[in-house]
Amino acid sequence: TQLLEQSPQFLSIQEGENLTVYCNSSSVFSSLQWYRQEPGEGPVLLVTVVTGGEVKKLKRLTFQFGDARKDSSLHITAAQPGDTGLYLCAGVWGSQGNLIFGKGTKLSVKP
Amino acid sequence: NAGVMQNPRHLVRRRGQEARLRCSPMKGHSHVYWYRQLPEEGLKFMVYLQKENIIDESGMPKERFSAEFPKEGPSILRIQQVVRGDSAAYFCASSPHKNTEAFFGQGTRLTVV
Repeated sequence: TQLLEQSPQFLSIQEGENLTVYCNSSSVFSSLQWYRQEPGEGPVLLVTVVTGGEVKKLKRLTFQFGDARKDSSLHITAAQPGDTGLYLCAGVWGSQGNLIFGKGTKLSVKP
Repeated sequence: NAGVMQNPRHLVRRRGQEARLRCSPMKGHSHVYWYRQLPEEGLKFMVYLQKENIIDESGMPKERFSAEFPKEGPSILRIQQVVRGDSAAYFCASSPHKNTEAFFGQGTRLTVV
């Protein structure tokens, strides 16, 4: 059972288009993190959302945490080829504090 | 990202050999996580360690795999008697405290031939 479900799994768009990817769970998380991973590299942290309903912006990227803290979305405006990569959401789970990941959305932006 | 150092970046082992993967966390970080990633897939949690202690190893196979994070030196993920199915990218992440943001190394790509 996957605690964090990400959709879509794959997304291929043209440069300049907008897109939204989702991270959903039936469980409540105290916070969710978004990472971007490029081929052959480790994931790089983009943002952490903590408060239900919170919206954070990072240039053309907008992150939102659901009111119930069970889901999050990432919206990219005017996508560029440099946005290509695997977008992963992650959350702290359990009393031990494990950081668990969704399977990711693989984004390809064509020039 | 560059603060967490993993080595080697690439490791080739024959079936039955041992693989030792090293992770030096960022300075001041005492929490280390190990993950495994297969091509086109997300990161699968393996083990969470704090200095000298294994906090949670629920994601690690019970046989052939072990991990440690000694008081001095890097964290080590050890795979004994490797099999082809162990081929994957292994990533280490560190954080300064429990339940805070984690920073990743560049991974070790293990190939078992």
